[in-house]
Amino acid sequence: DTAVSQTPKYLVTQMGNDKSIKCEQNLGHDTMYWYKQDSKKFLKIMFSYNNKELIINETVPNRFSPKSPDKAHLNLHINSLELGDSAVYFCASTPALGGAFFGQGTRLTVV
Amino acid sequence: QKEVEQNSGPLSVPEGAIASLNCTYSDRGSQSFFWYRQYSGKSPELIMSIYSNGDKEDGRFTAQLNKASQYVSLLIRDSQPSDSATYLCAVAGGTSYGKLTFGQGTILTVHP
Repeated sequence: DTAVSQTPKYLVTQMGNDKSIKCEQNLGHDTMYWYKQDSKKFLKIMFSYNNKELIINETVPNRFSPKSPDKAHLNLHINSLELGDSAVYFCASTPALGGAFFGQGTRLTVV
Repeated sequence: QKEVEQNSGPLSVPEGAIASLNCTYSDRGSQSFFWYRQYSGKSPELIMSIYSNGDKEDGRFTAQLNKASQYVSLLIRDSQPSDSATYLCAVAGGTSYGKLTFGQGTILTVHP
């Protein structure tokens, strides 16, 4: 039973394309996140949702649009992909008190 | 000033030694503090959480928190080669509700 699962694990696409990454958690947590990890391994928060409501948007370009159909799912859609979007994207969820649990990551490569 | 800052690495220690990892944070209202371990090509894994001043021990790991100094540390006793990884400090609470902020990470290498 995977607690936080992301799909796909690898994504290779051309500049200008639109792509989506899906995330699901079965931990019953209310809060979910999207993080971007660059080549220097810095984990930068992108979005935070609490019970389907957006609570944090860290000045991410409008090309990135998260969607949370219910509190167990948080998907990330990216329009007009650019070379600089290449990174590993992590989904995570957290209980009201406690640390976050991460998905396995999606390695996005834009060519 | 960075929101969460970790001591610059990489850090290299011999097997059996104590590894000391440090982290400072800027938001004085922060309430929850975490240490994660990330192996190359893997996702971050929660190894310690601490919420009140003092020490918290779990096996070979000890987390220390000093809110007055806005400082949190992780000690790894009897370091093993399998402890070689990137260690990430993370802070939550404070002025930004729902935000879990990470430091830049410290690469630890334990050599036999």
